[in-house]
Amino acid sequence: GEDVEQSLFLSVREGDSSVINCTYTDSSSTYLYWYKQEPGAGLQLLTYIFSNMDMKQDQRLTVLLNKKDKHLSLRIADTQTGDSAIYFCAESIRSNTGKLIFGQGTTLQVKP
Amino acid sequence: DAGVIQSPRHEVTEMGQEVTLRCKPISGHDYLFWYRQTMMRGLELLIYFNNNVPIDDSGMPEDRFSAKMPNASFSTLKIQPSEPRDSAVYFCASRGSGGGETQYFGPGTRLLVL
Repeated sequence: GEDVEQSLFLSVREGDSSVINCTYTDSSSTYLYWYKQEPGAGLQLLTYIFSNMDMKQDQRLTVLLNKKDKHLSLRIADTQTGDSAIYFCAESIRSNTGKLIFGQGTTLQVKP
Repeated sequence: DAGVIQSPRHEVTEMGQEVTLRCKPISGHDYLFWYRQTMMRGLELLIYFNNNVPIDDSGMPEDRFSAKMPNASFSTLKIQPSEPRDSAVYFCASRGSGGGETQYFGPGTRLLVL
């Protein structure tokens, strides 16, 4: 079946690195995504990685993909208070046209 | 582009009333998705359309919920009659058919049914 799992909460200090983890079950995933949701707002696309890649870096964000273990992570370097939000992992399934499977979201709390 | 537009942004209604939520997708996008977000159940896909045709409505909770997409630039999600347990944030998202399959979300409609 299709399932995406994330830990629910992560707390870090400002300036530290944050690592948010995600596991998925469907090996036919084509793309994997990270979305950010700030309080009272919709989901904003942060970054995505194609399934034939194992790493993608974009400024303070680093995405690592381990296909063998079906594990995806998002590392945020030099975490700021403005990074406090809920982070959702999602996968697109080759067999499902258009649909994304979302995790339950990880709440990141950044302490000053 | 203005992004995905949803209206109203907030809706407060009484149990039993009809509620209509509206969405305008990003121009040129041919997929449209309706999601519901609650603390208890997280983010749930209710229904999605491709080229204005409903593809998968298996997430629609019950017959009180209906969705339409009369043209490529407009969709509605209707709840009739509404119940307090329908209180949630409802998101609309759209995507194109190009590479990346990325969905772009609207700001959501916060619905409170009293």
